[in-house]
Amino acid sequence: GAVVSQHPSWVICKSGTSVKIECRSLDFQATTMFWYRQFPKQSLMLMATSNEGSKATYEQGVEKDKFLINHASLTLSTLTVTSAHPEDSSFYICSARDPSLTDTQYFGPGTRLTVL
Amino acid sequence: AQSVTQPDIHITVSEGASLELRCNYSYGATPYLFWYVQSPGQGLQLLLKYFSGDTLVQGIKGFEAEFKRSQSSFNLRKPSVHWSDAAEYFCAVGGYSGNTPLVFGKGTRLSVIA
Repeated sequence: GAVVSQHPSWVICKSGTSVKIECRSLDFQATTMFWYRQFPKQSLMLMATSNEGSKATYEQGVEKDKFLINHASLTLSTLTVTSAHPEDSSFYICSARDPSLTDTQYFGPGTRLTVL
Repeated sequence: AQSVTQPDIHITVSEGASLELRCNYSYGATPYLFWYVQSPGQGLQLLLKYFSGDTLVQGIKGFEAEFKRSQSSFNLRKPSVHWSDAAEYFCAVGGYSGNTPLVFGKGTRLSVIA
C-alpha cells in the first residue's frame, strides 16, 4: 500500500512556542490531505482538509489562526501549531488520499505533541 | 448526516477464538466503508475496504467484513484471533469525492487473553 510519513514522531515544547509537523506522501501524489487530532482513548477528530495550492478547509471549532496548514506541493502538507499551550497536547495524525484509488486514505504514523 | 456507531467500546476474547466487531453507519449516499487498526502510539493501518461488488470483503491479517445494506452494517470478523491482534479498531465511512474526509466511529478496543 501507499506510504505516508510524518515528522517528527514526537515533540516536546514549551508553552508559547510554535511547532511544525510535516506530512509526506512518499510514493504517490496527494492533492488532498487531512489532519486529524486524537485524544487519549478516543477516536479521530477531523481538524482540516488540506488542498494542494489552495487554502485549507477547517472544521467547525478549529482555530485556523492557531493551526496553520500549508499544502505547497503534491507530496507535502504541514501543520503548524502556533503559540502552543498545554491543552494543545495531543496525537496529531495526517492522511493522504491516493487519487488512483477511490477515496482510499493512507495514514501517517502520527505525531505526539506535548506542551509543557 | 454521516455517522458511524461502534456499539462495543471494549471486547475481550481468548486467543484462538472467533471475533466479530460491530459497525453501523448512517450515510446519505452509497457508502464507502473502511476498517482501520491502530496499535498504541501508532498511526492507522487499513485492514480492508468496501466500495462495491461482493459484499464480503477480505482484508489483511485474516480479517473479513460483510456489508449488509439492509442493516446498515459493516461488521468485521476473524475466525481465530491471535494475541498480536490486540489493538484499537476503527470503522469509517466516506463517499466518492475529491475532498471527502472519513467519518470515524469511536473505536473498539480489543484485548486478547491466553
